[in-house]
Amino acid sequence: ELKVEQNPLFLSMQEGKNYTIYCNYSTTSDRLYWYRQDPGKSLESLFVLLSNGAVKQEGRLMASLDTKARLSTLHITAAVHDLSATYFCAVPLYNFNKFYFGSGTKLNVKP
Amino acid sequence: DTAVSQTPKYLVTQMGNDKSIKCEQNLGHDTMYWYKQDSKKFLKIMFSYNNKELIINETVPNRFSPKSPDKAHLNLHINSLELGDSAVYFCASSPLGQGVQPQHFGDGTRLSIL
Repeated sequence: ELKVEQNPLFLSMQEGKNYTIYCNYSTTSDRLYWYRQDPGKSLESLFVLLSNGAVKQEGRLMASLDTKARLSTLHITAAVHDLSATYFCAVPLYNFNKFYFGSGTKLNVKP
Repeated sequence: DTAVSQTPKYLVTQMGNDKSIKCEQNLGHDTMYWYKQDSKKFLKIMFSYNNKELIINETVPNRFSPKSPDKAHLNLHINSLELGDSAVYFCASSPLGQGVQPQHFGDGTRLSIL
């Protein structure tokens, strides 16, 4: 079974700081997805990474994918309180009929 | 317009009861999913349907029975509810087999078993 590991699981940081969330997965996949979940809410898509070396940026978030290392990163630049949420990575298998999610990284950005 | 809608949003019931959750998507997607999110926020797939056909059935107890009357709807019926069924259940949809678009999730159904 595919394993998807995120670290850290919890991240408390000050506004203005930079940090990176890591997502490792255990089998070959050329796609990876990042989602954000606010408390009590649904999952919102952030990034779809479609190939090795893919890099996407939106505001203070930048995601990258290294399929050879089976690693994706989500980099946060100059964090602001509004980024506080839980972030999930997800890897597809079986022709995108099955997605394995990481455990999530709960980010708390302190003012 | 809501893309993926689930009802009810909250479900509080007693052990042993039977309940259903409904899901509808208006995105024209071919694939629909049910996920369970436990109290630790771990998200695990339960079922996956393509055009009304069951594709993925994870090791979910037989008490859980999905039904897809058409490709826009995927319902979940749960028999003989147990305490361990308490969780948030998310419905999601995506286009068939391309992977270039993310899944779209409903708002979730918060199921609490007393």
